[in-house]
Amino acid sequence: TQLLEQSPQFLSIQEGENLTVYCNSSSVFSSLQWYRQEPGEGPVLLVTVVTGGEVKKLKRLTFQFGDARKDSSLHITAAQPGDTGLYLCAASFTGGGNKLTFGTGTQLKVEL
Amino acid sequence: GAVVSQHPSRVICKSGTSVKIECRSLDFQATTMFWYRQFPKQSLMLMATSNEGSKATYEQGVEKDKFLINHASLTLSTLTVTSAHPEDSSFYICSARDEAGNTEAFFGQGTRLTVV
Repeated sequence: TQLLEQSPQFLSIQEGENLTVYCNSSSVFSSLQWYRQEPGEGPVLLVTVVTGGEVKKLKRLTFQFGDARKDSSLHITAAQPGDTGLYLCAASFTGGGNKLTFGTGTQLKVEL
Repeated sequence: GAVVSQHPSRVICKSGTSVKIECRSLDFQATTMFWYRQFPKQSLMLMATSNEGSKATYEQGVEKDKFLINHASLTLSTLTVTSAHPEDSSFYICSARDEAGNTEAFFGQGTRLTVV
């Protein structure tokens, strides 16, 4: 069973601060997605990365895929209260078919 | 983007009764759909993979007789929680992946089940 560990588990910061969330596995991903989820709703896709070393930017969010495709990070610059939510990485593993395995999650709270 | 619709969004049922949750892909065909369970402030745990026209594949520890899955068409999968108990209360979410080579998974809005 593949496990995806996210850190930190909880993060409470002030508006304007920067933060980084990490997603790590002992197995190689074939692809990795980052999602944000708000209470009572399904996860919403932020980005998909498939190539080792890939970096993608989405406004104030920067996503990086490790060279060995076993880790990823999400960096948020100048966090805003609207960034508050549960951030989840999810990966497909070689031989796992279409199945997505979710990370343990990072609960982010951005306060004024 | 593709849309996955889940119904109902909330349901309250009495212990011992069964509840059916529907998951529909609205503008694409999905031979495979996935059912997840999520407890408060926790991540999504995959329960089972729903395969159109064949039996579902359940993850270890998930009772297939308790959580019945039917995937009768390329756009609809259903999850029935049978003989529900309060410990079955949870947030259930479905997802589907576009079989046309897209790696993205689209998620339903989720169903909040409360068993009283």
